[in-house]
Amino acid sequence: EVQVVESGGGLVQPGGSLRLSCAASGFTLSNDWMSWVRQAPGKGLEFVANIKQDGSHQNYVDSVKGRFTISRDNAKNSLYLQMNSLRGDDTAVYYCSTDRYGGAFEIWGQGTMVIVSS
Amino acid sequence: EIVMTQSPATLSVSPGERATLSCRASQSVSSKLAWYQQKPGQAPRLLIYGASTRATGIPARFSGSGSGTEFTLTISSLQSEDFAVYYCQQYDNWRTFGHGTKVEIK
Repeated sequence: EVQVVESGGGLVQPGGSLRLSCAASGFTLSNDWMSWVRQAPGKGLEFVANIKQDGSHQNYVDSVKGRFTISRDNAKNSLYLQMNSLRGDDTAVYYCSTDRYGGAFEIWGQGTMVIVSS
Repeated sequence: EIVMTQSPATLSVSPGERATLSCRASQSVSSKLAWYQQKPGQAPRLLIYGASTRATGIPARFSGSGSGTEFTLTISSLQSEDFAVYYCQQYDNWRTFGHGTKVEIK
């Protein structure tokens, strides 16, 4: 079965850090750009970051630049998001997805919830 | 940033009827437009990419059209499982989503 499974979310204080992971199975992650997309409670979808197949290029939404780092380990079929200096407006469900056809998100996980609160 | 505007915000439709959802881009995105369906508590599902190409496993009752700045998602005959929120997303310049259209039972 083709799937991605996110993990690593939780409750963190403002200014804290979390590392999200995404494990892919049923397909070869190294063939795809990969992305993180988030959704704040009751809100719409927001693209956060993506990374090229070989990890040589990353893109970030302005609001997370300098705080978040996307990375991947193709040998482990895994994607990561290191989140530092977390703020309340980072509270969201974070989804991992394949970034295909030039920018459409095809395979989605069920997401992992990040809550930034004191 | 390209702003995506979806209309209407809510669409009330009876099962079996046709639903037409609109998405407008603040500048041309060519055909680099995708549509997603999201049900409560679930991840989004890709329906359409390239403005009109159905993703794998998507029923033929879903169709997409348009190019440039004006796009439409049509559901030809609404089934009970189609009541959900639908998002458009452009990927011509970065990646931005519309705010969604909720399709509810009339």
